[in-house]
Amino acid sequence: QVQLVESGGGVVQPGRSLRLSCATSGFSFSDFGMYWVRQAPGKGLEWVAVISNDGSNKFYEDSVKGRFTISRDNSKNTLYLQMNSLRAEDTAVYYCAKGPITFGRAIVSPFDYWGQGTLVTVSS
Amino acid sequence: DIVLTQSPDSLAVSLDERATINCKSSQSVLYNSNNKNYLAWYQQRPGQPPKLLIYWASTRESGVPDRFSGSGSGTDFTLTISSLQAEDVAVYYCQQYYTTPLTFGGGTKVEIK
Repeated sequence: QVQLVESGGGVVQPGRSLRLSCATSGFSFSDFGMYWVRQAPGKGLEWVAVISNDGSNKFYEDSVKGRFTISRDNSKNTLYLQMNSLRAEDTAVYYCAKGPITFGRAIVSPFDYWGQGTLVTVSS
Repeated sequence: DIVLTQSPDSLAVSLDERATINCKSSQSVLYNSNNKNYLAWYQQRPGQPPKLLIYWASTRESGVPDRFSGSGSGTDFTLTISSLQAEDVAVYYCQQYYTTPLTFGGGTKVEIK
């Protein structure tokens, strides 16, 4: 079955960096665009970034452009999010997600599988 | 950016009664070349990641009970729970995937009256 498992969250001071990972299994990772979505405590959902199946195309939400980098290693079936210059407003649960098989390699899609999320807390 | 506005923010409905949630988009998410609305609905129970319920505005995801239905086109959409069950207590979100940035509505909290 499809599994997405995030890791790498924790407490970090403002201005520092953190790298999140999302280990996947149960589907052909290299055939899907992959996403990061976050949710601040008690708040709604916010899309963060998407990467195409081959890593050649990446798009970001405006507030993270230039600070966050999405990447993937198709040989390891793993998605990453490098987060630099972290701010208090980046505090959130970060989810990785994938699109339905019917969407194939599209980089705009709904999300049919989500991980359980990893909490990032930016605080001094 | 496409802004999705959900209403109401919260609603309380009796068991077995109908719940209706609205989602209004700041611009059309209907792609004319395929006549599809690029809109999805999710359910998020406390402490859980979101669960996809509906995509293409009205296509139910596999395994989703048929009491959940989606309707609408262009800029105005509705999620209907025809007969509310206790396990439907959750926050519901709409999402557009017409273009980046992908955006979500603010959420609607559904409770039992």
